[in-house]
Amino acid sequence: EAQVTQNPRYLITVTGKKLTVTCSQNMNHEYMSWYRQDPGLGLRQIYYSMNVEVTDKGDVPEGYKVSRKEKRNFPLILESPSPNQTSLYFCASSSHGGGKHEQYFGPGTRLTVT
Amino acid sequence: DAKTTQPPSMDCAEGRAANLPCNHSTISGNEYVYWYRQIHSQGPQYIIHGLKNNETNEMASLIITEDRKSSTLILPHATLRDTAVYYCIVRANNNAGNMLTFGGGTRLMVKP
Repeated sequence: EAQVTQNPRYLITVTGKKLTVTCSQNMNHEYMSWYRQDPGLGLRQIYYSMNVEVTDKGDVPEGYKVSRKEKRNFPLILESPSPNQTSLYFCASSSHGGGKHEQYFGPGTRLTVT
Repeated sequence: DAKTTQPPSMDCAEGRAANLPCNHSTISGNEYVYWYRQIHSQGPQYIIHGLKNNETNEMASLIITEDRKSSTLILPHATLRDTAVYYCIVRANNNAGNMLTFGGGTRLMVKP
């Protein structure tokens, strides 16, 4: 089944403790992206990747890192999480970048930083 | 990308057609109309997109007016599982970051 998977689905952590949220897609998509969703603020893009070893900042990249060493994986790294990074995170992929390709989203990771 | 306007909420009876409107009066020639939906806190789900012709797939139909300033998403036979927030998005085909900007959307409630 074609899908985007994320792990973990739920995570409670403390300020400053490094964490990684994994994202994997099995559709051989070139493009992958991370979003965060907060009440009243909608969906905001954190980072995106047009292909392996190519990443770029979205709207809200501060406090996050990403890497794209393999086509299927696009982990999101929080080196020193803070409470303002408490949010619902979604990974997405599409066959290519540009604006005319639909995106497929993962199930989401709900992160709480205390 | 052009701004869109959608009603904040709508109700629909189960089994009836749900018609969700979207205004995008500032749309430009290279911008596509996309529809996504999000069932409570799940990942957004792609529904359909179009440029200027009407489109239909297994989920829905998209009707775009001739001047492209508005569109309507039609769910032909709504079920309870179609209860979700529906987002109309307008995006240029040269959107390099492929970023999706979700507005408020329409909260569709399908009732038995």
